[in-house]
This record gives sequence, structure tokens and C-alpha cells, in this order.
Amino acid sequence: QQQVKQSPQSLIVQKGGISIINCAYENTAFDYFPWYQQFPGKGPALLIAIRPDVSEKKEGRFTISFNKSAKQFSLHIMDSQPGDSATYFCAASHYNAGNNRKLIWGLGTSLAVNP
Amino acid sequence: DTAVSQTPKYLVTQMGNDKSIKCEQNLGHDTMYWYKQDSKKFLKIMFSYNNKELIINETVPNRFSPKSPDKAHLNLHINSLELGDSAVYFCASSQYDEQYFGPGTRLTVT
Repeated sequence: QQQVKQSPQSLIVQKGGISIINCAYENTAFDYFPWYQQFPGKGPALLIAIRPDVSEKKEGRFTISFNKSAKQFSLHIMDSQPGDSATYFCAASHYNAGNNRKLIWGLGTSLAVNP
Repeated sequence: DTAVSQTPKYLVTQMGNDKSIKCEQNLGHDTMYWYKQDSKKFLKIMFSYNNKELIINETVPNRFSPKSPDKAHLNLHINSLELGDSAVYFCASSQYDEQYFGPGTRLTVT
């Protein structure tokens, strides 16, 4: 069962534009929402993450907006650059009984930023 | 220094063979993972070990067997390889929330 739904599947943006990727979750026990960035031939790497006690987190050109009541969160990339072209994954998790985290992943969004 | 390393980077083999992928992390993390990423980029967790103890064992064919000789190493052995096993396999480690991924092993079964 897909517990984190990510959209769109692919996105093409012009250089300087805003890229927006959306995710929705079902499990209200989730308390950690990261975004990972993956370049071709590389492993995913943490880009930015948020916890549900805040509605927004910004790091440079990257912002997470979080809507707890709607169970949705999104990644905004301002002033998108060709170097941002990558696959982006949202994820969600909570600690399980063994005090360990298991990330539930979205299906990914392939972002292409045209020069 | 590479934080999470995997060997080999590429693996091409025939159906029915047995192969292993090795992973090492020098971050001092207690938890390690194996993920499978298919051609559509979907990331599927397979296993997770915490301090050498198996804590996550997803619905994976029992042809896949992880082994953690110590908390810095997590290996994946695959028996009787099938065409559907072709994918990129990622090892990752974590101490708290952030997972650090290795560069991946691209397995091609012919």
C-alpha cells in the first residue's frame, strides 16, 4: 500500500522558475518528512527535512511547506537551475517499536530544468 | 573518505548464479539498510540492521540473505539470480534520522 503519494511524476521548468513537488501521506503517526535528491548514477542524498511542529522550513533556494491538517507537504525550489535537474523523493517516517525509523518513500519526481 | 561504500559498482551475471554485494560505512552509525531501486526509480527497502541485529525484513524472496559481520558492514547475498533481480542496489546507514546512501551497485542479470 502506497502510504506517501508524490506528484508530479515528472516536471520540466525553465531556468529561474519555481519547481513545486507535492506529497500527501495517510499515517498521522509520521513525525519526520525528508526530501532526498538523487543525481543520475548516484545514491539519494538528504536535501531538506521538516517535522510537523513547523509549517515551513527554508534552506537556501529550497523550502518545505507542511500542512498537517491536510496531511500534505511540498518542496519548492526557487530560481531553479540546470544543476537542480535530478530525481526528488519525498518520504515520511516515525519511530517503530524497536526505536528505529523506517522511511516510507514517494515514487519520485524527475525534474529537468531547461537552460 | 567515502562515508558509505559498496562493491562492486557494476555486476553482470547470468540467471541462476549466486552473487554478493558488500557495503561498508565509516560513519560509526548503528543502523544499515539495503534498498532496491528498479528501472522506474522506485526505492524499496529490503532489510535493515541495527548493531548487527535484523530489524526490518520486508517481503523479499528468501533468495536474498543479508549478513552483518559487524555494525560497519552489511553484505547482501543473492542466490539463484533471476531476470527480475536486475536493479540498482543501495546500501545506506543512519544514526538518527538522516540516511546516508552509498553509490549503488548496478546488477544486470542476463
